[in-house]
Amino acid sequence: AQKVTQAQTEISVVEKEDVTLDCVYETRDTTYYLFWYKQPPSGELVFLIRRNSFDEQNEISGRYSWNFQKSTSSFNFTITASQVVDSAVYFCALSETGTALIFGKGTTLSVSS
Amino acid sequence: GAVVSQHPSRVICKSGTSVKIECRSLDFQATTMFWYRQFPKQSLMLMATSNEGSKATYEQGVEKDKFLINHASLTLSTLTVTSAHPEDSSFYICSARDPGSYGYTFGSGTRLTVV
Repeated sequence: AQKVTQAQTEISVVEKEDVTLDCVYETRDTTYYLFWYKQPPSGELVFLIRRNSFDEQNEISGRYSWNFQKSTSSFNFTITASQVVDSAVYFCALSETGTALIFGKGTTLSVSS
Repeated sequence: GAVVSQHPSRVICKSGTSVKIECRSLDFQATTMFWYRQFPKQSLMLMATSNEGSKATYEQGVEKDKFLINHASLTLSTLTVTSAHPEDSSFYICSARDPGSYGYTFGSGTRLTVV
C-alpha cells in the first residue's frame, strides 16, 4: 500500500532563512509519481512539482529546490531565502500508475518578517 | 493547461438537506475524477474515484448512500451530500487526471457548512 509521511507538522522560520520540508514515501510499485503542492489559506491547491520514479535528478526552480532520493524513499523540498508569502501548508503526495493521489498530512510553514 | 472548475465555492445548508457540488473539466475529457474531503488542519482524504459511465469506487469508511457521486459525462462529475449534518461540514475538492501528462488538476474546492 502507498503511504506518504511528512513528519514535520509545523515549522516556523524568520524571513530569509532556508527551510527544508521532509517527505518520506512508501510504495511497492516501481513506477510512481511524487508531487508537492502548496495550499494557502484560500484552500486552493497550487501545484509545485511532479517527479516520476525514473528521474532522480534534483530540480531547482527559483528559490525552490527538490531532492529526490530513491535509496531513502525521500522527496524533500527546500525553500531558500524564505519569504512571508511562502507561509502556507505544503503537501507531499504520491500516485502509483493510474491511481489517485495520496497525500501526506502536510507541513504548515510560517514565515515571519 | 488543463482546468477543472468546481462550484459552488462556498455553501451553507440546513441540517437534513442535500447539497450538490459540481466539478467540470473545461478543456479536456476526464474519464476519471477523484473526490477528496479535508477537515480543518488535516490532510486531503480520498473519498471516492468517479469513473464516467460507471459506479464510483468509494474508499473504506465513506458512506456511498450519503455521498452520491455521478459521472454522467466526460466533463462533469457531481458529489451530492445527502441529509447533511454538521459533521459533514468540510472542504471538498475534486481532481482529474491531466490527459496531457501524468499530473492531476484540482478544482478550487467547496467549503460546506451545515447548520
